[in-house]
Amino acid sequence: GENVEQHPSTLSVQEGDSAVIKCTYSDSASNYFPWYKQELGKRPQLIIDIRSNVGEKKDQRIAVTLNKTAKHFSLHITETQPEDSAVYFCAANSGGSNYKLTFGKGTLLTVNP
Amino acid sequence: NAGVTQTPKFQVLKTGQSMTLQCAQDMNHEYMSWYRQDPGMGLRLIHYSVGAGITDQGEVPNGYNVSRSTTEDFPLRLLSAAPSQTSVYFCASSLDFTGANVLTFGAGSRLTVL
Repeated sequence: GENVEQHPSTLSVQEGDSAVIKCTYSDSASNYFPWYKQELGKRPQLIIDIRSNVGEKKDQRIAVTLNKTAKHFSLHITETQPEDSAVYFCAANSGGSNYKLTFGKGTLLTVNP
Repeated sequence: NAGVTQTPKFQVLKTGQSMTLQCAQDMNHEYMSWYRQDPGMGLRLIHYSVGAGITDQGEVPNGYNVSRSTTEDFPLRLLSAAPSQTSVYFCASSLDFTGANVLTFGAGSRLTVL
């Protein structure tokens, strides 16, 4: 099955700096890579996703890049703000007809004012 | 729309007791799933369903049962609770699962097994 590795497990930045979280996956047939944000005590919510026919996608201060050859994808947050502090999860689907989304173990991002 | 509703929000069980975590969605979503979240382990898939009457195992199915008699409801049953099942449980649904659909999560159910 799919295996998703996520690094780093914790990340601390100063407000206004950029943050980068990286994930690798094992299933070469995976073609959907979402990122979820979970604030303390809340439910995970999708912030951005990318499909395998696209190399990069941006949404305001958030961007995701995908390298299918190397089987890794990354989340980039620019101009970080204290409200960006949360746990971020990457995920990848299993290829073919397998209805499973496998999550990484998460990155705790702390943005210091 | 209420989205995905989970009950109860908190539950304490003794080892060996049974219970059911309820999940309901009012979005006419075909796909429903249960995840457990443990510190440092991310979200792990327990069971999922792609429609009424159809269920399958995820990554960590042992100790849990599910059924899907209606499109709206997807309960998770613990038949004989163990301390290793202490966790936060999330139900999530999506319109379908072509492999690229957004999951809508419930608020979570925190379960403690003593």
